[in-house]
Amino acid sequence: QITLKESGPMLVQPTQTLTLTCTFSGFSLSTSGVTVGWIRQPPRKALEWLALIYWNDDKRYSPSLKSRLTITKDSSKNQVVLTMTNMDPVDTATYYCAHRSTSGQNANAFDIWGQGTMVTVSS
Amino acid sequence: QSVLTQPPSVSGAPGQRVTISCTGSSSNIGAGYDVHWYQQLPGTAPKLLIYGNTNRPSGVPDRFSGSKSGTSASLAITGLQAEDEADYYCQSHDGSLSRWVFGGGTKLTVL
Repeated sequence: QITLKESGPMLVQPTQTLTLTCTFSGFSLSTSGVTVGWIRQPPRKALEWLALIYWNDDKRYSPSLKSRLTITKDSSKNQVVLTMTNMDPVDTATYYCAHRSTSGQNANAFDIWGQGTMVTVSS
Repeated sequence: QSVLTQPPSVSGAPGQRVTISCTGSSSNIGAGYDVHWYQQLPGTAPKLLIYGNTNRPSGVPDRFSGSKSGTSASLAITGLQAEDEADYYCQSHDGSLSRWVFGGGTKLTVL
């Protein structure tokens, strides 16, 4: 059974750096075809894809946020970390991590999501 | 402004059929990238409903079905139930900027 859980601060001050951790179980990020993505959702708004990391450490970022984002993985700890610099109140949102495989069942879709963590940016 | 366009809301009575459209362009849906659909119940994380345009994950009722044609895709829900009241999102890949994109979401109200 695949599970993911996000953790991180609930409140961040403007200009600070946000660090979120996705801790997962039930799969290995060393297995070919496996990826983990980050998606966020501002209150009462739509989902927005942020970043994706591949089993081979390849990385993809949203073009509009690329300069502010870094995604890394620690396969031995079953964790993926997302950092976002220079936080602004418009970054207030629920941040989700999600499992995605490039082959097999549910291929290429974000098939398992964490519960999400709400981050508020305010002074 | 989302890259994929969905109607903000749809509604239907219990037992009826509703469809939700998702319109993209030649750089995403029209380029052949798969469309996936997610259901988000109030206060919960999105749940995968349809993957690869037409496929249902294990456990998803066959009342839910997906289709794709040209630069658009659709989600159909038959035999509407009160528990289907949720937000629905389409998602695909956009090759022009190598990014994953979501629609703006559609709120389904069961009357």
